[in-house]
Amino acid sequence: EAQVTQNPRYLITVTGKKLTVTCSQNMNHEYMSWYRQDPGLGLRQIYYSMNVEVTDKGDVPEGYKVSRKEKRNFPLILESPSPNQTSLYFCASSLNPRGTDTQYFGPGTRLTVL
Amino acid sequence: GIQVEQSPPDLILQEGANSTLRCNFSDSVNNLQWFHQNPWGQLINLFYIPSGTKQNGRLSATTVATERYSLLYISSSQTTDSGVYFCAVSGYGSGNTGKLIFGQGTTLQVKP
Repeated sequence: EAQVTQNPRYLITVTGKKLTVTCSQNMNHEYMSWYRQDPGLGLRQIYYSMNVEVTDKGDVPEGYKVSRKEKRNFPLILESPSPNQTSLYFCASSLNPRGTDTQYFGPGTRLTVL
Repeated sequence: GIQVEQSPPDLILQEGANSTLRCNFSDSVNNLQWFHQNPWGQLINLFYIPSGTKQNGRLSATTVATERYSLLYISSSQTTDSGVYFCAVSGYGSGNTGKLIFGQGTTLQVKP
């Protein structure tokens, strides 16, 4: 089944404890990106990648890192999480490297930072 | 950047009723998608429709790109249609990064 997967789906952690949210797609998509969703602020892009080894900042990149060593994986790294990173996170992918066709979203990761 | 406005913000329907959700956008787009966010938070892709008309079962969508709006039609609504409906677009400006700009959503409640 063609899909975008994220792990973990739910995570409660403490301030400062490094964590990684994994994202994987099995559709051979070129474009991948990360969004966070917050009440009153909607969905905002964190980082995106148009190809392997090519990543760039979105609107809210502070406090996050990403890497794209293989086409299928695009992990989101929080090196020192803080409570303001408590959010619902989505990974997305699309075939076109500029994201101009259907973007498919993962199931989401609910992160709570205490 | 592109502005996206959705209306109405909230909608309550009886099961079996029809509805129309609207999305206005402020500039030319190269991507327009409609999503349904279910009560578990998952974003389900409904349509990729930067222009034209598409139908999928009880749902259909129309985008009039020259007039910068899109409509999502839900016919014979069911309780499982409840949730938030988002319109999201990306444009040609800002380096054409593929970033989707989301509207604020329409919250739909379908009562049995």
